[in-house]
Amino acid sequence: AQSVTQLDSQVPVFEEAPVELRCNYSSSVSVYLFWYVQYPNQGLQLLLKYLSGSTLVKGINGFEAEFNKSQTSFHLRKPSVHISDTAEYFCAVSGGSYIPTFGRGTSLIVHP
Amino acid sequence: SAVISQKPSRDICQRGTSLTIQCQVDSQVTMMFWYRQQPGQSLTLIATANQGSEATYESGFVIDKFPISRPNLTFSTLTVSNMSPEDSSIYLCSVEYPLAGERTDRETQYFGPGTRLLVL
Repeated sequence: AQSVTQLDSQVPVFEEAPVELRCNYSSSVSVYLFWYVQYPNQGLQLLLKYLSGSTLVKGINGFEAEFNKSQTSFHLRKPSVHISDTAEYFCAVSGGSYIPTFGRGTSLIVHP
Repeated sequence: SAVISQKPSRDICQRGTSLTIQCQVDSQVTMMFWYRQQPGQSLTLIATANQGSEATYESGFVIDKFPISRPNLTFSTLTVSNMSPEDSSIYLCSVEYPLAGERTDRETQYFGPGTRLLVL
């Protein structure tokens, strides 16, 4: 069984400030980890993923995430956010079955 | 990555009626998935649709309520039957990347734009 915890339901931040969205997971097998973004009235878009190899993963739109096996975390970061980054962000974990389990989502709100 | 389209993009329906949602992919895929995203919530997997076999439903979802078709490797439909206001959700189709895709694209789901359903 696997599960995902997104610790923050909402993260407000000012434009050009750095941001970190937290994600912790639990799984009994090797994991694949994902971050998806959902802009208002749209579907989910893959931001980045960790399958294997380097623990620092770079994605689209300047986002990156670091896989930390000892802390079972996969936090998402961006050094300087833009208004257009306002969206819902979902962390997901899969292992073995290729069917991911999604977290409850974190709403990133970027203020001017 | 795969390009996925869904029809309709949104609909408003009366209770007791049924709606069929279509999902089209621009390349062949083995596995297609249907998710429900209720207002303000995360995604819940309804079923996995494989071509040539019956869909596999998750706990809490049944074929009579959510019949699924998968006639070929690029297309699937989900029907929401006998709708009630509790069925108001976003319904999302997703695929695991194509049979002949790059290895780094495997084990990754790509999503369609979703169908926004409101049941009155």
